[in-house]
Amino acid sequence: GNSVTQMEGPVTLSEEAFLTINCTYTATGYPSLFWYVQYPGEGLQLLLKATKADDKGSNKGFEATYRKETTSFHLEKGSVQVSDSAVYFCALSDRNDYKLSFGAGTTVTVRA
Amino acid sequence: DTGVSQNPRHKITKRGQNVTFRCDPISEHNRLYWYRQTLGQGPEFLTYFQNEAQLEKSRLLSDRFSAERPKGSFSTLEIQRTEQGDSAMYLCASRVAGTGGTEAFFGQGTRLTVV
Repeated sequence: GNSVTQMEGPVTLSEEAFLTINCTYTATGYPSLFWYVQYPGEGLQLLLKATKADDKGSNKGFEATYRKETTSFHLEKGSVQVSDSAVYFCALSDRNDYKLSFGAGTTVTVRA
Repeated sequence: DTGVSQNPRHKITKRGQNVTFRCDPISEHNRLYWYRQTLGQGPEFLTYFQNEAQLEKSRLLSDRFSAERPKGSFSTLEIQRTEQGDSAMYLCASRVAGTGGTEAFFGQGTRLTVV
Protein backbone atom coordinates (compact mmCIF):
# COMPACT_ATOMS: atom_id res chain seq x y z
CA GLY A 1 0.00 0.00 0.00
CA ASN A 2 0.88 3.66 -0.11
CA SER A 3 2.77 5.27 2.74
CA VAL A 4 4.66 8.45 3.54
CA THR A 5 7.51 8.88 6.01
CA GLN A 6 8.60 12.35 7.01
CA MET A 7 11.18 13.77 9.32
CA GLU A 8 10.13 13.83 12.92
CA GLY A 9 9.94 17.09 14.74
CA PRO A 10 9.63 19.34 16.40
CA VAL A 11 11.99 21.63 14.55
CA THR A 12 12.94 24.99 16.05
CA LEU A 13 14.76 27.55 13.95
CA SER A 14 15.79 31.17 14.10
CA GLU A 15 14.38 33.64 11.59
CA GLU A 16 16.22 33.61 8.25
CA ALA A 17 17.56 30.10 8.83
CA PHE A 18 17.39 27.38 6.16
CA LEU A 19 14.63 24.82 6.56
CA THR A 20 14.53 21.32 5.16
CA ILE A 21 11.99 18.62 5.98
CA ASN A 22 12.69 15.19 4.57
CA CYS A 23 9.90 13.13 3.04
CA THR A 24 10.07 9.71 1.41
CA TYR A 25 7.23 7.64 0.06
CA THR A 26 6.22 4.14 -0.95
CA ALA A 27 3.61 3.81 -3.65
CA THR A 28 2.40 1.60 -6.45
CA GLY A 29 2.25 3.38 -9.76
CA TYR A 30 2.99 7.06 -10.17
CA PRO A 31 1.45 9.15 -7.43
CA SER A 32 1.11 12.91 -7.21
CA LEU A 33 3.00 14.43 -4.29
CA PHE A 34 1.96 17.29 -2.02
CA TRP A 35 3.00 19.36 0.92
CA TYR A 36 0.14 20.61 3.08
CA VAL A 37 0.51 23.14 5.90
CA GLN A 38 -1.61 23.64 8.99
CA TYR A 39 -1.19 26.99 10.71
CA PRO A 40 -2.26 27.28 14.35
CA GLY A 41 -6.05 27.22 14.62
CA GLU A 42 -6.57 26.75 10.90
CA GLY A 43 -7.39 23.91 8.50
CA LEU A 44 -5.07 22.10 6.12
CA GLN A 45 -3.94 24.15 3.15
CA LEU A 46 -2.07 23.02 0.09
CA LEU A 47 1.42 24.50 0.07
CA LEU A 48 2.77 22.98 -3.15
CA LYS A 49 2.46 19.96 -5.38
CA ALA A 50 4.21 17.94 -8.10
CA THR A 51 2.53 15.50 -10.41
CA LYS A 52 5.40 13.73 -12.17
CA ALA A 53 9.04 12.87 -11.76
CA ASP A 54 11.48 15.80 -11.74
CA ASP A 55 8.66 18.33 -11.33
CA LYS A 56 9.43 21.08 -8.86
CA GLY A 57 6.61 22.53 -6.83
CA SER A 58 7.07 25.98 -5.33
CA ASN A 59 5.05 28.48 -3.33
CA LYS A 60 5.74 31.21 -0.75
CA GLY A 61 9.49 30.58 -1.02
CA PHE A 62 9.12 26.84 -0.36
CA GLU A 63 10.27 24.28 -2.93
CA ALA A 64 10.18 20.51 -3.32
CA THR A 65 11.28 18.30 -6.22
CA TYR A 66 9.66 14.97 -7.11
CA ARG A 67 12.55 12.48 -7.12
CA LYS A 68 11.39 9.14 -8.44
CA GLU A 69 14.81 7.49 -8.16
CA THR A 70 15.02 8.18 -4.43
CA THR A 71 11.22 8.21 -3.85
CA SER A 72 11.58 11.53 -2.08
CA PHE A 73 9.90 14.94 -1.97
CA HIS A 74 11.91 17.01 0.50
CA LEU A 75 10.62 20.47 1.43
CA GLU A 76 13.06 23.39 1.55
CA LYS A 77 12.98 27.11 2.25
CA GLY A 78 16.05 29.27 2.18
CA SER A 79 15.06 31.87 4.77
CA VAL A 80 12.21 31.18 7.16
CA GLN A 81 10.03 33.76 8.88
CA VAL A 82 8.14 33.63 12.16
CA SER A 83 4.95 33.36 10.09
CA ASP A 84 6.16 29.99 8.73
CA SER A 85 5.59 28.42 12.14
CA ALA A 86 3.13 25.60 11.45
CA VAL A 87 2.75 21.84 11.06
CA TYR A 88 3.84 20.57 7.64
CA PHE A 89 2.48 17.36 6.14
CA CYS A 90 3.88 15.45 3.19
CA ALA A 91 1.25 13.50 1.27
CA LEU A 92 0.74 11.44 -1.85
CA SER A 93 -2.33 10.91 -3.96
CA ASP A 94 -3.20 7.77 -5.83
CA ARG A 95 -4.08 8.54 -9.44
CA ASN A 96 -7.12 6.30 -9.42
CA ASP A 97 -9.11 7.38 -6.40
CA TYR A 98 -7.07 10.47 -5.44
CA LYS A 99 -7.30 9.71 -1.76
CA LEU A 100 -4.41 11.15 0.19
CA SER A 101 -1.90 9.28 2.34
CA PHE A 102 -0.21 11.61 4.82
CA GLY A 103 2.97 11.56 6.81
CA ALA A 104 2.80 12.16 10.56
CA GLY A 105 3.55 15.86 10.24
CA THR A 106 6.50 18.00 11.31
CA THR A 107 5.98 20.90 13.70
CA VAL A 108 8.15 23.88 12.81
CA THR A 109 8.65 26.80 15.17
CA VAL A 110 10.53 29.87 13.98
CA ARG A 111 11.88 32.23 16.64
CA ALA A 112 12.41 35.92 16.03
CA ASP B 1 -17.20 31.93 1.48
CA THR B 2 -17.17 29.10 -1.03
CA GLY B 3 -14.75 26.78 0.74
CA VAL B 4 -15.48 23.46 2.42
CA SER B 5 -17.62 23.96 5.49
CA GLN B 6 -17.87 21.59 8.45
CA ASN B 7 -20.26 21.70 11.37
CA PRO B 8 -20.03 21.69 14.25
CA ARG B 9 -16.48 22.83 14.82
CA HIS B 10 -16.35 21.23 18.24
CA LYS B 11 -18.40 18.47 19.83
CA ILE B 12 -18.14 17.08 23.34
CA THR B 13 -20.19 13.98 24.01
CA LYS B 14 -20.52 11.33 26.63
CA ARG B 15 -19.36 7.81 25.90
CA GLY B 16 -22.13 5.75 24.37
CA GLN B 17 -23.93 8.67 22.74
CA ASN B 18 -24.40 9.08 18.99
CA VAL B 19 -22.98 12.04 17.11
CA THR B 20 -23.39 13.34 13.57
CA PHE B 21 -21.14 15.72 11.68
CA ARG B 22 -21.92 17.58 8.49
CA CYS B 23 -19.71 18.57 5.57
CA ASP B 24 -20.67 20.98 2.80
CA PRO B 25 -18.15 20.67 -0.04
CA ILE B 26 -17.31 23.21 -2.70
CA SER B 27 -20.37 23.18 -4.93
CA GLU B 28 -18.89 21.90 -8.19
CA HIS B 29 -16.77 19.20 -6.53
CA ASN B 30 -18.08 15.69 -7.15
CA ARG B 31 -15.61 13.88 -4.89
CA LEU B 32 -15.90 14.13 -1.12
CA TYR B 33 -13.51 12.52 1.38
CA TRP B 34 -13.58 12.00 5.14
CA TYR B 35 -10.38 11.74 7.16
CA ARG B 36 -9.61 11.35 10.84
CA GLN B 37 -6.65 13.02 12.54
CA THR B 38 -5.49 12.13 16.02
CA LEU B 39 -3.06 14.21 18.03
CA GLY B 40 0.45 14.16 16.63
CA GLN B 41 -0.52 12.19 13.54
CA GLY B 42 -1.37 12.95 9.96
CA PRO B 43 -4.91 12.57 8.68
CA GLU B 44 -6.01 9.02 7.89
CA PHE B 45 -8.47 8.19 5.14
CA LEU B 46 -11.90 6.97 6.23
CA THR B 47 -14.16 6.98 3.19
CA TYR B 48 -15.00 8.81 0.00
CA PHE B 49 -17.91 9.53 -2.31
CA GLN B 50 -18.25 10.30 -5.94
CA ASN B 51 -21.51 12.18 -6.20
CA GLU B 52 -23.89 10.17 -3.99
CA ALA B 53 -22.06 6.85 -4.33
CA GLN B 54 -19.79 5.73 -1.51
CA LEU B 55 -16.90 4.14 -3.40
CA GLU B 56 -14.53 3.03 -0.65
CA LYS B 57 -14.44 2.58 3.11
CA SER B 58 -11.26 2.17 5.10
CA ARG B 59 -10.95 -0.69 7.56
CA LEU B 60 -10.64 2.11 10.15
CA LEU B 61 -14.35 2.69 9.63
CA SER B 62 -15.94 0.26 12.05
CA ASP B 63 -19.60 -0.67 11.83
CA ARG B 64 -20.36 2.08 14.35
CA PHE B 65 -19.49 4.62 11.67
CA SER B 66 -21.73 5.46 8.76
CA ALA B 67 -21.44 8.13 6.13
CA GLU B 68 -23.93 9.37 3.59
CA ARG B 69 -24.10 11.84 0.76
CA PRO B 70 -27.76 11.55 -0.20
CA LYS B 71 -28.02 14.05 -3.02
CA GLY B 72 -24.40 14.24 -4.02
CA SER B 73 -23.97 17.56 -2.23
CA PHE B 74 -23.45 17.68 1.54
CA SER B 75 -22.33 14.63 3.50
CA THR B 76 -22.89 13.41 7.04
CA LEU B 77 -20.70 11.19 9.19
CA GLU B 78 -22.43 9.48 12.10
CA ILE B 79 -20.73 7.67 14.94
CA GLN B 80 -22.93 5.45 17.06
CA ARG B 81 -22.18 4.42 20.63
CA THR B 82 -19.12 6.65 20.81
CA GLU B 83 -15.99 5.45 22.58
CA GLN B 84 -13.12 7.44 24.02
CA GLY B 85 -10.92 6.21 21.18
CA ASP B 86 -13.15 8.07 18.75
CA SER B 87 -11.84 11.37 20.09
CA ALA B 88 -10.13 13.02 17.12
CA MET B 89 -10.41 15.74 14.50
CA TYR B 90 -12.67 14.67 11.65
CA LEU B 91 -11.76 16.34 8.38
CA CYS B 92 -13.71 16.62 5.17
CA ALA B 93 -12.18 17.40 1.79
CA SER B 94 -13.56 17.82 -1.70
CA ARG B 95 -12.16 17.89 -5.20
CA VAL B 96 -13.08 17.40 -8.82
CA ALA B 97 -12.58 13.84 -10.03
CA GLY B 98 -10.54 13.05 -13.11
CA THR B 99 -7.86 15.69 -12.64
CA GLY B 100 -5.03 14.06 -10.75
CA GLY B 101 -3.01 17.14 -10.01
CA THR B 102 -5.87 19.22 -8.72
CA GLU B 103 -5.77 19.75 -5.02
CA ALA B 104 -8.23 18.55 -2.48
CA PHE B 105 -9.66 21.40 -0.40
CA PHE B 106 -10.09 20.74 3.28
CA GLY B 107 -12.58 22.06 5.77
CA GLN B 108 -11.49 23.21 9.20
CA GLY B 109 -12.64 19.99 10.75
CA THR B 110 -14.86 18.89 13.61
CA ARG B 111 -13.04 18.18 16.83
CA LEU B 112 -14.76 15.39 18.75
CA THR B 113 -14.08 14.80 22.43
CA VAL B 114 -15.66 11.75 24.04
CA VAL B 115 -15.74 11.93 27.83
